Amino acid sequence: QSVLTQPPSVSGAPGQRVSISCTGSSSNIGAGYDVHWYQQLPGTAPKLLIYGNNNRPSGVPDRFSGSRSGTSASLVIAGLQADFEADYYCQSYDSSLSGWVFGGGTKVTVL
Amino acid sequence: QVQLQESGPGLVKASQTLSLTCTVSGGSISSGRYYWSWIRQPAGKGLEWIGRIYTSGSTSYNPSLKSRVTISVDTSNNRLSLNLSSVTAADTAAYYCARDGNYYYGMDVWGQGTTVTVSS
Repeated sequence: QSVLTQPPSVSGAPGQRVSISCTGSSSNIGAGYDVHWYQQLPGTAPKLLIYGNNNRPSGVPDRFSGSRSGTSASLVIAGLQADFEADYYCQSYDSSLSGWVFGGGTKVTVL
Repeated sequence: QVQLQESGPGLVKASQTLSLTCTVSGGSISSGRYYWSWIRQPAGKGLEWIGRIYTSGSTSYNPSLKSRVTISVDTSNNRLSLNLSSVTAADTAAYYCARDGNYYYGMDVWGQGTTVTVSS
């Protein structure tokens, strides 16, 4: 059971917009700690996709955007492409655990 | 450009200690701005943060693993190490090291990972 809750899967047609939720609690996202998102393509290491809730590292397409509100955060992929099929993880800091926590991951499938 | 490379035995016997090294290239592990984290991922499952170290030597660990984990840094050789004692089959996973920018920046550089299998 992950501290941060994500839907196991989301899917959409090419070009469609999809959103992945990440629900936490008052000891992590709700405490104001920033949320980060990672993309993990099959057989590869995770890659930082969004940091500080809504910032994209250099090279990440602007089709990816993030937001945070209350005890939750969201990752939006605007305009699905086949090469966006991957697992996506949210991450935040948890003050009760004094460390990083991850969501369980969401598999994005392009139909 | 900073790169990370994990190394260590791919097979460890149950009850023994798993020892991995992460070598940092393209930058100094002592830059002072970063933490260095270890994360693991059992096959087909999600990511689990193991712990991290600052260049001062200050560490923090996942409470669920704290009694078995030691992370250390060797600044002269630009590498960090992970020791996980009394391993069981549940410790079988891909192990990653990552550069950790702390609260705001997340983990911006990851190694390719190394798979460790615990055998009985």
